[in-house]
Amino acid sequence: GESVGLHLPTLSVQEGDNSIINCAYSNSASDYFIWYKQESGKGPQFIIDIRSNMDKRQGQRVTVLLNKTVKHLSLQIAATQPGDSAVYFCAEFPGSGGSNYKLTFGKGTLLTVNP
Amino acid sequence: EAGVVQSPRYKIIEKKQPVAFWCNPISGHNTLYWYLQNLGQGPELLIRYENEEAVDDSQLPKDRFSAERLKGVDSTLKIQPAELGDSAVYLCASSLDSSNQPQHFGDGTRLSIL
Repeated sequence: GESVGLHLPTLSVQEGDNSIINCAYSNSASDYFIWYKQESGKGPQFIIDIRSNMDKRQGQRVTVLLNKTVKHLSLQIAATQPGDSAVYFCAEFPGSGGSNYKLTFGKGTLLTVNP
Repeated sequence: EAGVVQSPRYKIIEKKQPVAFWCNPISGHNTLYWYLQNLGQGPELLIRYENEEAVDDSQLPKDRFSAERLKGVDSTLKIQPAELGDSAVYLCASSLDSSNQPQHFGDGTRLSIL
């Protein structure tokens, strides 16, 4: 859901469960998307990316799904581990140039994994 | 492969003082970015460099912020004078180029203004 100020959307899961983190992006012209993981006190860490000519891409324990019709992106984490606890950001990149030619981050989601 | 290196990790200064941040990007990455991140929010772009040229500085408050990347490798970001509202984390990122390529981030400099 939407968050205001410091109140991030949160997701709490049990260790070993699968996690799904959702993101609604804003620009229908965006053609490249990235998921980042950010742990406390660290910079965003690249997890996986997807281009708009794909609707699914898999990595190690992670899958990104892209639905361009409704401008929705999701990150699925299989067998979630305590080390997956972090804030997750989706980011979109427009295909055209100009002033919007930059990576735009969505609101983060705080994932907490309970042992 | 070494990642993006930033220093210092933390900086505490009084308002109206100058401050500078340093970034060494991943070797071979032509594009370098400076971002600002406020608590609980995603990073926001301040400036983008292609080699030594600043190609997008539209979000940089130029009255007090300046940046340089003289030899197209390392970069510095400066604030003079700092204001209370500048307290944030300043992140540097780099990518091979500015097309659809992953941007890789350093761990940032956490700036606190007293």
